[in-house]
Amino acid sequence: GAVVSQHPSWVICKSGTSVKIECRSLDFQATTMFWYRQFPKQSLMLMATSNEGSKATYEQGVEKDKFLINHASLTLSTLTVTSAHPEDSSFYICSAEIGIGQQETQYFGPGTRLLVL
Amino acid sequence: QKEVEQDPGPLSVPEGAIVSLNCTYSNSAFQYFMWYRQYSRKGPELLMYTYSSGNKEDGRFTAQVDKSSKYISLFIRDSQPSDSATYLCAIYNTNAGKSTFGDGTTLTVKP
Repeated sequence: GAVVSQHPSWVICKSGTSVKIECRSLDFQATTMFWYRQFPKQSLMLMATSNEGSKATYEQGVEKDKFLINHASLTLSTLTVTSAHPEDSSFYICSAEIGIGQQETQYFGPGTRLLVL
Repeated sequence: QKEVEQDPGPLSVPEGAIVSLNCTYSNSAFQYFMWYRQYSRKGPELLMYTYSSGNKEDGRFTAQVDKSSKYISLFIRDSQPSDSATYLCAIYNTNAGKSTFGDGTTLTVKP
């Protein structure tokens, strides 16, 4: 199956610093990648849709200046949490969309756990 | 009302039991239906996907879709302790170009 990696798998940072999370599709090209946030015992909350070569589309309520997304190539998208605060602590998961015939599915990365002190 | 409703459980069954997980949805534009399994502190793993009403079987797993009732199910036969995880239904809207997820059902299979 399709493999998506994320780096780092976990990160601890001080309040006010910025953190960059990478999402890579390892064995396929992904025109579209998605960024999700998941709080404990809650479902996935879509933050933004990342399209290669164009600006990301953010969901309502997600600050685009705080969560910077760059989809520079067909295999890499990055999420930068700028000026992180403790309330940004969460599990961030990316996914990459792959078309299988007429069916669109997405494969998820293993997630990045962010703790802001 | 959420576009996708899923009973969060938790659901606890003995090993070998048949498990039924269900979701309902409200948007007729939804066209593709997926089930994901998520172990604690891991990313979701795609289990099955389908786009038509009826059943689709893969080993011990059967996905069932009833578009007329807007109801989807995942059945797990001969459940194993390793099946213990959170199961997420997801429905893809081709018009919107994105999926909507249920809240997930936490399943525990006791040996």
